[in-house]
Amino acid sequence: GQQLNQSPQSMFIQEGEDVSMNCTSSSIFNTWLWYKQDPGEGPVLLIALYKAGELTSNGRLTAQFGITRKDSFLNISASIPSDVGIYFCAGHGSSNTGKLIFGQGTTLQVKP
Amino acid sequence: DAGVIQSPRHEVTEMGQEVTLRCKPISGHNSLFWYRQTMMRGLELLIYFNNNVPIDDSGMPEDRFSAKMPNASFSTLKIQPSEPRDSAVYFCASSLSAQQHFGDGTRLSIL
Repeated sequence: GQQLNQSPQSMFIQEGEDVSMNCTSSSIFNTWLWYKQDPGEGPVLLIALYKAGELTSNGRLTAQFGITRKDSFLNISASIPSDVGIYFCAGHGSSNTGKLIFGQGTTLQVKP
Repeated sequence: DAGVIQSPRHEVTEMGQEVTLRCKPISGHNSLFWYRQTMMRGLELLIYFNNNVPIDDSGMPEDRFSAKMPNASFSTLKIQPSEPRDSAVYFCASSLSAQQHFGDGTRLSIL
C-alpha cells in the first residue's frame, strides 16, 4: 500500500532558527496536508496543497507540493518556543477513497 | 464554530470491561474517521464512514472492536472485552473534502 516517509524524525533547534522537514512517497498523491499536534490535543491542520508545484504560506510556515507529486516539504521560519510539537504530513492518493496516509511525524523542540 | 467533539477525554478501566468512545463530527461533514495513536505505531486509521456507511474497516484490530454511526451527528467506537494492549489515544476526525479535522482524542488506559 501507499506509504509516506517523513524526515527528520526529530529536531532540536535554537529559537530563531529556520526549520525544514519533508515527506516522500513511493506513489503519487493528489493532495498534501501538513498538521501540527500539541501535547494532549488532536492534530490541527496547518496547510493544504492541491496542485503539483503549489507553494503556500501560512504566517511563518511555507509548504510546497512537489512537482513529481511524490513529495512535499514544510518550512518554519524564525522558530519560536510555541512551535514545539509533532508535525505530520498526510497525503490523499488517487484512489479517491477519502483516506489520508500519514507520515510518522517530526518532533520539534525549540530551545529559548 | 464547534469542532469535532469526543467523549470521554480520559478513560481508565479494568481489563475485560466494555469501553465505548463517542464522537460528534462537525455539522455538515459527510465523512468520519476513527484513529488510534501509540508511540510504537503512530497514527493508525481504524475505520471510516461516508454518509454514515462504513467504507473501510480494514484497520480494525480484531473482532473486539466495533464502530457504528447511527446518524450524521454521532458515532461510537466500542471495545469489548478490553485488553491492556488497547491502551492508546483514540481520535475521531471528520471531513467534507480531503481536509480532515480532528477532535482532542480519548486517552484510554486499560489496567
